[in-house]
Amino acid sequence: GAVVSQHPSRVICKSGTSVKIECRSLDFQATTMFWYRQFPKKSLMLMATSNEGSKATYEQGVEKDKFLINHASLTLSTLTVTSAHPEDSSFYICSASAAFPYNEQFFGPGTRLTVL
Amino acid sequence: AQKITQTQPGMFVQEKEAVTLDCTYDTSDPSYGLFWYKQPSSGEMIFLIYQGSYDQQNATEGRYSLNFQKARKSANLVISASQLGDSAMYFCAMREDSNTDKLIFGTGTRLQVFP
Repeated sequence: GAVVSQHPSRVICKSGTSVKIECRSLDFQATTMFWYRQFPKKSLMLMATSNEGSKATYEQGVEKDKFLINHASLTLSTLTVTSAHPEDSSFYICSASAAFPYNEQFFGPGTRLTVL
Repeated sequence: AQKITQTQPGMFVQEKEAVTLDCTYDTSDPSYGLFWYKQPSSGEMIFLIYQGSYDQQNATEGRYSLNFQKARKSANLVISASQLGDSAMYFCAMREDSNTDKLIFGTGTRLQVFP
């Protein structure tokens, strides 16, 4: 299957700092990428849909100014958690849509963010 | 209303036995897709199997098969010949084709395979 990478896999930061997470599709071009957040033992919650060359579409309740998404190329999307606070600590997962065969989403390995 | 419902928070199965993980869905969109993903403790989401709403036959991928009952709006995952490495969280998800490829996930089922 298609490969999606995420970097970093784990990050610990101080409250008030900003953290950037990268999501790359390694062997295919993804016009659409998705960012999810997962709390412990919970399901994935879609945060936003990222389209190459245009503004991201955020889900209801997700702060656009706090979670900045940039999709600068067909293989890279970034999520920046600005002025992080302890409540932003979570597992963040990105995915990228591959056109064939099922238009399914391939997921990155996730980034565990801990804000102290 | 929940769009994807997984009623089994946890399941146990003995190695080499088959197990069925339940999933029901709710949509008025005539065109949709159903997915199953596996999430081991490492956190990555692994795509297992896909069923399109217009597919006439149940999807199969190796030891995974999807028992698709459209009238009942159910898409249960069947894992045959369970292996210890199958222990993980399993998520059912739906994509409504009118809804820009977004996936809606169920709450997941934790499967534990014992020797």
